[in-house]
Amino acid sequence: KAGVTQTPRYLIKTRGQQVTLSCSPISGHRSVSWYQQTPGQGLQFLFEYFSETQRNKGNFPGRFSGRQFSNSRSEMNVSTLELGDSALYLCASSSGWGEGQPQHFGDGTRLSIL
Amino acid sequence: TQLLEQSPQFLSIQEGENLTVYCNSSSVFSSLQWYRQEPGEGPVLLVTVVTGGEVKKLKRLTFQFGDARKDSSLHITAAQPGDTGLYLCAGATQRDSWGKLQFGAGTQVVVTP
Repeated sequence: KAGVTQTPRYLIKTRGQQVTLSCSPISGHRSVSWYQQTPGQGLQFLFEYFSETQRNKGNFPGRFSGRQFSNSRSEMNVSTLELGDSALYLCASSSGWGEGQPQHFGDGTRLSIL
Repeated sequence: TQLLEQSPQFLSIQEGENLTVYCNSSSVFSSLQWYRQEPGEGPVLLVTVVTGGEVKKLKRLTFQFGDARKDSSLHITAAQPGDTGLYLCAGATQRDSWGKLQFGAGTQVVVTP
C-alpha cells in the first residue's frame, strides 16, 4: 500500500512570492491534515480537510490556505511568503473517523525562503 | 505555548540502558499517539492509546495513558542504537475533531553503542 506522497520535497522561494504544495493521501483515506514543523515551535497544526471541506483550522494567518479535491488529494498554498515561513511542511492522512485514528505522515516539503 | 509538555527535551544514553519519556497536559485528551521521527523523514506512528489507564507493550516499548487522560509515558527497555530519534507525543482534545492533533515539542533520544 503506497504511503503519503508529498511534492516537491524541496523548494526555495524569495520573500513576497507564493507557493503551492501537494499531498496525495493513502488510498481510501478521506482526511488530510497539514502541519508546519520548525525548530522553535515544533509541529503546529495548520488545517484539516475531510471530503473536500475544511473541518479544522489552526492559528495561522489567512496567507495559508488549502483545498482538497474529490480524489482526496490536497494542496496547500502560502501567499506573500515571509522569512518565518521557512519550515518543513508535513501532511498526514487518515480515514477521518473514530477515536484515535492514526495519522500517516508523508516525508514533508522543505520550504526555504531567501 | 505547547498544550502537551514533553520531558526531558534531550536524552543521551548507552546501549542497554532504559529510558522514560513523559508527556503531560492540563487538558483531557480523547486519544494520544506517540510518533518517532528521523532526520529528513515524517513522523512514524508507534502507538495509539484511547482508554484512561491503558498500557500497551510493543516489544521493548511500553506506553501508558494516565487514568485522567491528561498524561502519558513511553518507556524503552534495553535501548538500542536503532531507537535513536525524535519522539513526539500528540493528542486530540475532546473539543477537537479527530483530524487535529496537538503535538508536544519532542524528546530527542540518542543511544550510543
